[in-house]
Amino acid sequence: EPEVTQTPSHQVTQMGQEVILRCVPISNHLYFYWYRQILGQKVEFLVSFYNNEISEKSEIFDDQFSVERPDGSNFTLKIRSTKLEDSAMYFCASAGTGGAGGAFFGQGTRLTVV
Amino acid sequence: EDQVTQSPEALRLQEGESSSLNCSYTVSGLRGLFWYRQDPGKGPEFLFTLYSAGEEKEKERLKATLTKKESFLHITAPKPEDSATYLCAVLLSGGSNYKLTFGKGTLLTVNP
Repeated sequence: EPEVTQTPSHQVTQMGQEVILRCVPISNHLYFYWYRQILGQKVEFLVSFYNNEISEKSEIFDDQFSVERPDGSNFTLKIRSTKLEDSAMYFCASAGTGGAGGAFFGQGTRLTVV
Repeated sequence: EDQVTQSPEALRLQEGESSSLNCSYTVSGLRGLFWYRQDPGKGPEFLFTLYSAGEEKEKERLKATLTKKESFLHITAPKPEDSATYLCAVLLSGGSNYKLTFGKGTLLTVNP
């Protein structure tokens, strides 16, 4: 069964460092997303990406965040200067022609900023 | 402000004891309502999409229903492997085509 793959599964970084979270979406999907979940809280939307550009971003997704689809398979989230409050589980998701309907999530990257 | 509220926050059942989880929403327009299952430390696993009031979807022991203001996830004769957090999310009309708004989830524990 096709699945969304995320690497690494766990990343520990120093405050102020840059991190890149990587995702391989389901191969024939067209819509790509990043969500995050702070421990014990709701899953929150960060950004959506379609046709090689950002479709929508939340107020969380400020200038320290960026996304890229560098080739036909990978989708990355870069956090330029990490803060303690960026510690969370980050989920990549992808969807087919239905857009966010039936978005399929990866297993997540647990980011710990120390 | 648009809201998605799930109840109860936690539910303990004995194996075979059927019950329902609730997701109520106060949104200005609904394009779709989604149910996901989330195991600890894992990503949400897609279960169902519901688009209009009166719609129902079934999968094994789970059945999701939708009214104009809420959705129910009915669990019939649950087994311990059904233990997980069940998340509800909505996709709004008239705005973003891409953003899911999630509730906090219901933590379901099924005891053998």
